[in-house]
Parts: sequence; C-alpha cells; structure tokens
Amino acid sequence: SFVLTQPPSVSVAPGQTATITCGGNNIGRESVNWYRQEPGQAPVLVVYDDSDRPAGMPERLSGSNSGNTATLTITGVEAGDEADYYCQVWDSSSDLMVFGGGTKLTVL
Amino acid sequence: QVQLVESGGGVVQPGKSLNLSCTASGFTFKDYALHWVRQAPGKGLEWVAVISFDGRRKHYLDSVEGRFSISRDNSKNTLFLQMNDLTSDDTAKYHCAKSSHEVPAADIDSWGQGTLVTVSS
Repeated sequence: SFVLTQPPSVSVAPGQTATITCGGNNIGRESVNWYRQEPGQAPVLVVYDDSDRPAGMPERLSGSNSGNTATLTITGVEAGDEADYYCQVWDSSSDLMVFGGGTKLTVL
Repeated sequence: QVQLVESGGGVVQPGKSLNLSCTASGFTFKDYALHWVRQAPGKGLEWVAVISFDGRRKHYLDSVEGRFSISRDNSKNTLFLQMNDLTSDDTAKYHCAKSSHEVPAADIDSWGQGTLVTVSS
C-alpha cells in the first residue's frame, strides 16, 4: 500500500517560513490533504486537494504537490502554529486511507 | 456546527470485544461517508475504517479486517465500530471523522474528540 514519509520534526524561528514535506511514490498523481493537531486536541483540516484551504484557514498556509513530494508551507510562522502536521491520501488501488507519520513543528 | 461525539471506550481484556458509537449533529448525516481513525498514545494518526454514505461500501485497515466491523444507522445519526478479538496493539484513542463527500476517498473535514480504548489484562 501507499507509504507517506514525513520528517519527524521541523524547527523555525518566528516570522520565517516552515516547509513540511510528504514523500510518496508518484504522490503528485494523488490528492493530498493536510491536518494540524495540537496536543490533546482533535486534528483539523488545513489544506485539501493539494492546495485548497478550508474556509477560515489563513493564506499563510499553502500546499503544493508534484512528482514524489507534497509540501505544506507556512509563511510568517507564529507561536500558535506549533503543532503536529499530517499528510494524507486515499490509496485507490487498495481502497484505504493513508496518513504520513506526522511532523512536529517547533517555533523557536 | 458539526459535532461528533464518541462513546463506548474503556478498559478491556485481550481477546474481548467493545462497541464504539459516534453520535453526529449539525449536518445531514445520511449524505456523507464516515471514518474511524485511531491514535495510540504518543503516536501518529492511523486510519481504521470507512463506510460510505449509504452503508454499502466499507473498507478496513488490513490489521483489523475480519475483527472490526463498521456500520451506521442513518435514522439515528449514529456511527458504530464493533471491535472483536482485541489486542494490545488496538490500544488507542478512536476518533469518529466525517468525510467532506459521500464517497470514502475525500478529505476529512470534521473530527470528534475521540474515545480511549485500552486493551490490558
């Protein structure tokens, strides 16, 4: 089945840009969704269909997907962006949903 | 707004069964696919199962296939997960989650807070 690989952690200073990657074989052919999860809370959808944002999600969060890598980019990082971020696809060849292992974003 | 409230979790011995429920409100329940997603303590998200809007399509994580059964009652806005032959690997918080569409393949746009299942002797 599809395997999604994320870096365990990403650190960035306030105001800088955070880039969180999600690697998978030809992931560019899939629709990738991204979720944010704060400690003790349920996940929240932040990007869907590679690059669309749900209503109310700030433009600072953006997504892209090409080749073997999907990317979540957060510009102007704030302390409130600290959370775990997960990428996700639907593996249509196996009819199952796959999550990446998650990336902990730390704001220095 | 959308609300998903799970119940039925608890401590159970290995090999025993547990039935989780998820009561939904704030949307037209019968129009959307629904998922169960779990998270073991300190670990990442792991998808468990999905059921289509009409209950006709069901898909499962390989490791729970044959042990878990997902179902729904559209007349009562309730989703279920029957879990049998539980093992310590099933210990996790189980989240009920709503798809953005009627089909399983779409993104998850709403999540419940989860119910904790602990499998221990």
